[in-house]
Amino acid sequence: DTGVSQNPRHKITKRGQNVTFRCDPISEHNRLYWYRQTLGQGPEFLTYFQNEAQLEKSRLLSDRFSAERPKGSFSTLEIQRTEQGDSAMYLCASSREGGSNQPQHFGDGTRLSIL
Amino acid sequence: KQEVTQIPAALSVPEGENLVLNCSFTDSAIYNLQWFRQDPGKGLTSLLLIQSSQREQTSGRLNASLDKSSGRSTLYIAASQPGDSTTYLCAVSSLNNAGNMLTFGGGTRLMVKP
Repeated sequence: DTGVSQNPRHKITKRGQNVTFRCDPISEHNRLYWYRQTLGQGPEFLTYFQNEAQLEKSRLLSDRFSAERPKGSFSTLEIQRTEQGDSAMYLCASSREGGSNQPQHFGDGTRLSIL
Repeated sequence: KQEVTQIPAALSVPEGENLVLNCSFTDSAIYNLQWFRQDPGKGLTSLLLIQSSQREQTSGRLNASLDKSSGRSTLYIAASQPGDSTTYLCAVSSLNNAGNMLTFGGGTRLMVKP
């Protein structure tokens, strides 16, 4: 496994700008997850894909957030009109489909800072 | 709604000591429970996964137990080393979402002093 890859590692932008993050999951994993983590807290679930289908979205995912996984491989998470409260670490994870013995594997995250 | 709590929030021990980290969850209808470590500024590294039908899992110096009925899990670290210094996160997936999302605790920050 080459691991879950996320780009960029860091993003600094001004309030009101749009940002897009990319996640490349482990190649044979058909499930992909996005989480958000603020300082000193555990990650919070945002959304989940099985192949290209977005099957679950958290209420945390406001209408300024959109996630896609067009070909069932990599995924993008876009935040429009960023706000100060969007500053966080955005983590991507992937897993195999299957039973309760399938762990989620995480990338190193994208740290977003809103000025 | 599932809630996960980790106690203590921070812990400092001398090298070589055995220690236990605690995790509790409010809804016992879980799919599995995972323990992770997270180094500063990094992502999460999976340490152990316990399926709902299991009582414990072991990997090297780590042993995780699960008591589903009481909503508790413990992570036991034997003979702690400075390299064990990091944040440990507990996360559960619930049956009501077929294990598709993880609910995390706030973590325990461990410092092992040489």
